[in-house]
Amino acid sequence: DIVLTQSPLSLPVSPGEPASISCTSSQSLLHANGYTYLAWYLQRPGQSPHLLISLTSDRASGVPDRFSGSGSGTDFTLKISRVEAEDVGVYYCMQAVQTPQTFGQGTKLEIK
Amino acid sequence: EVQLVESGGGLVHPGGSLRLTCVVSGFNFRSYWMHWVRQAPGRGPVWVSRIGTNGADATYATSVKGRFTVSRDNAENTLFLQMNSLRDDDTGVYYCARGRTGDGYNPDSWGQGTLVTVSS
Repeated sequence: DIVLTQSPLSLPVSPGEPASISCTSSQSLLHANGYTYLAWYLQRPGQSPHLLISLTSDRASGVPDRFSGSGSGTDFTLKISRVEAEDVGVYYCMQAVQTPQTFGQGTKLEIK
Repeated sequence: EVQLVESGGGLVHPGGSLRLTCVVSGFNFRSYWMHWVRQAPGRGPVWVSRIGTNGADATYATSVKGRFTVSRDNAENTLFLQMNSLRDDDTGVYYCARGRTGDGYNPDSWGQGTLVTVSS
């Protein structure tokens, strides 16, 4: 199975400041079709996860443009340009290049 | 409005069985891949299974292969997960989720989940 390793595991950020989360894969997430199957999810307290970004950098419908994804191969990053209070929760990366699909262990973002 | 509503969870003894159901509305169910994802208390989500639009192409996590079976009824807008030979580590909230338009591999809409507790 592909292992995804996130860092940091805990991320305290002041409102209005930027934040960055790294996700490293044990194998390349580049599919033969040319797409790279890395997605990012946010799970707010008490809620189901919801999709932020798919295919490394495509923002899902309704996701603010302060969220951006980048990377290739095995190294990926989620960036928040200016953190807001509603961004609190646990962020997960997920790969879908092969089954079983796997998640990273999560990064907990909190407001300072 | 897209809605996914899971049911069928509960308390079951190790070795027992449960059948989870997910009824969807607000989108053309037969056109979307569907997923099951579970989350143990205090832990991160774990992908369990996915199924193609016509009921074929079912794949499973290594830990559930041979014990769980995913299926769907496109006429009834319903997704199922038959879980047999349940173990303590199958405990958690089970979410059904719709696969993203296009490739179907990324769940983009999730239900609120149903709790499965496996305990003697």
